[in-house]
Amino acid sequence: EDQVTQSPEALRLQEGESSSLNCSYTVSGLRGLFWYRQDPGKGPEFLFTLYSAGEEKEKERLKATLTKKESFLHITAPKPEDSATYLCAVPGYYGGSQGNLIFGKGTKLSVKP
Amino acid sequence: DTGVSQDPRHKITKRGQNVTFRCDPISEHNRLYWYRQTLGQGPEFLTYFQNEAQLEKSRLLSDRFSAERPKGSFSTLEIQRTEQGDSAMYLCASSSLFDRDSQETQYFGPGTRLLVL
Repeated sequence: EDQVTQSPEALRLQEGESSSLNCSYTVSGLRGLFWYRQDPGKGPEFLFTLYSAGEEKEKERLKATLTKKESFLHITAPKPEDSATYLCAVPGYYGGSQGNLIFGKGTKLSVKP
Repeated sequence: DTGVSQDPRHKITKRGQNVTFRCDPISEHNRLYWYRQTLGQGPEFLTYFQNEAQLEKSRLLSDRFSAERPKGSFSTLEIQRTEQGDSAMYLCASSSLFDRDSQETQYFGPGTRLLVL
């Protein structure tokens, strides 16, 4: 069964303290790995798509990397406004067709000033 | 392009009542998805449409749930005889099969938060 596991569940950082979030997956035939940011009470906001092992993408203080079994979201010198829940997801095969994203439970990041 | 929109943003109802939510996808996106999210969990897939055809439904989607996408534009999700366990955030997303670089990227709306009393 396709699965996505994120760790840690929660992460508290001081402003400027860099760290990484992990997303491990088991899926047959990876067709991309997606990172989203979700603020409380809002829908997920798309950040990155990674398609192949070794690929990296950056956006401001965030950098996403992908290996054959996991992805990391590196946060460099975070600011309080980076506080949010970060979700990763992979496309699943549901009923034989490709339609859904399988999400992890997310990592709740809090950055204190 | 104003993104995916959902209406209403919040809904409080009593157990046993019917509710209907609306989703307007990004214009020209031919795929539309519904997800449900409860506190502390990631979104869970409910169903999706390609144009007006409903292609898949999750086992989570009981007989009380029905979704439509007439004319392949906006979509509605109806829950009949609501139960307290239906309380959740209902999210809509859309994607474009014709965007070769990101055809599987799903863009989410703000969600409709349902509370069943």
